[in-house]
Amino acid sequence: AQSVTQPDIHITVSEGASLELRCNYSYGATPYLFWYVQSPGQGLQLLLKYFSGDTLVQGIKGFEAEFKRSQSSFNLRKPSVHWSDAAEYFCADTLEDGYNKLIFGAGTRLAVHP
Amino acid sequence: GAGVSQSPRYKVAKRGQDVALRCDPISGHVSLFWYQQALGQGPEFLTYFQNEAQLDKSGLPSDRFFAERPEGSVSTLKIQRTQQEDSAVYLCASSLHTPGLETTDTQYFGPGTRLTVL
Repeated sequence: AQSVTQPDIHITVSEGASLELRCNYSYGATPYLFWYVQSPGQGLQLLLKYFSGDTLVQGIKGFEAEFKRSQSSFNLRKPSVHWSDAAEYFCADTLEDGYNKLIFGAGTRLAVHP
Repeated sequence: GAGVSQSPRYKVAKRGQDVALRCDPISGHVSLFWYQQALGQGPEFLTYFQNEAQLDKSGLPSDRFFAERPEGSVSTLKIQRTQQEDSAVYLCASSLHTPGLETTDTQYFGPGTRLTVL
């Protein structure tokens, strides 16, 4: 079955440090991949998405992600983390069933130390 | 409105009670999805509407769960005879277009309804 794996349940970084959150998708001829962020008590906010084309995708809040088909990965990066980035991050793929429901990873909780 | 709204934001129910959760999608959005997010987990698909038609309900966990979107805009997720395992955040999302095998569309999420069943 199609699945998304986020290997890191919890990550802690210092403010100003770089960040990389890992995401692997199981398979898909044409993966449509997303990163969402969820702050406590909030819904999911779209950070960025990959549909096709350039494999390096820029998003909001200084985030970027790189699609690597050979590694089935879509890792999220940020060069310098801010305290306000502390949140839960979800990677998602689109189920290729014609309805395009999202399949989410279990999430990575990011803590930022001052 | 500017985004997807959901009400109530929080709902506490006693086991066995019926609940109704409302979703107001972005105006004009054709597609509407419901997801369930258990504590510490990623959201999981429940059901999908294209306008007023419920085209996929494969994720509904039991026949106690029922969803409708009678006029193709507002949707209601109803849970009958709630159980403790129904405690979760229920997220609604909408997207502009009709999905297809060769294309997809961004889903915009509401803030969710946190349901606690005692």
